[in-house]
Amino acid sequence: EAGVTQFPSHSVIEKGQTVTLRCDPISGHDNLYWYRRVMGKEIKFLLHFVKESKQDESGMPNNRFLAERTGGTYSTLKVQPAELEDSGVYFCASSQTGQSPLHFGNGTRLTVT
Amino acid sequence: AQSVAQPEDQVNVAEGNPLTVKCTYSVSGNPYLFWYVQYPNRGLQFLLKYITGDNLVKGSYGFEAEFNKSQTSFHLKKPSALVSDSALYFCAAPSGGYNKLIFGAGTRLAVHP
Repeated sequence: EAGVTQFPSHSVIEKGQTVTLRCDPISGHDNLYWYRRVMGKEIKFLLHFVKESKQDESGMPNNRFLAERTGGTYSTLKVQPAELEDSGVYFCASSQTGQSPLHFGNGTRLTVT
Repeated sequence: AQSVAQPEDQVNVAEGNPLTVKCTYSVSGNPYLFWYVQYPNRGLQFLLKYITGDNLVKGSYGFEAEFNKSQTSFHLKKPSALVSDSALYFCAAPSGGYNKLIFGAGTRLAVHP
């Protein structure tokens, strides 16, 4: 089966610009998660979708971040406007149920200059 | 607050020798604990989990982990290291949801020929 895919793999943008990250989960996985690792620190939870609904978005850092999962398939994470501290690696993960292991994508490395 | 800690930034071991990557936890209730591995330029991969039962948990690629309640530890082990085991290892525990994970800072394992 195809794994979790994320696009782009790298993105370099200037402060104040907008960036949209995309995640395609494993087919049939209703649960989709976003995590990020900023500046080599701990990986932090951002939010959790079940199908198209946001189950938990308690980890979203502020209102510059907007995640969507229209139709319950792929998800996008938009950062607008980007700030320097948003630089890091953004991981998407999916799971078949809320109690099965996570399958992670390779991540998107975001650099804000 | 729930937390996991990985006290070592890096572990160096010679190929063929046993390896240990340390993790300690502070969680309320019965702990669920996970180990994930990240190979270069890849996403995190699930290695193993402790839910309940035997304190020695076996996982992928010959890895195992020992749950020790009195020491609040969940160290990852392998009897004989391979150069291909060189990667970044993360200990994790749920916090408010099975797959809403808190991660340790990660330990880089370097296995030398």
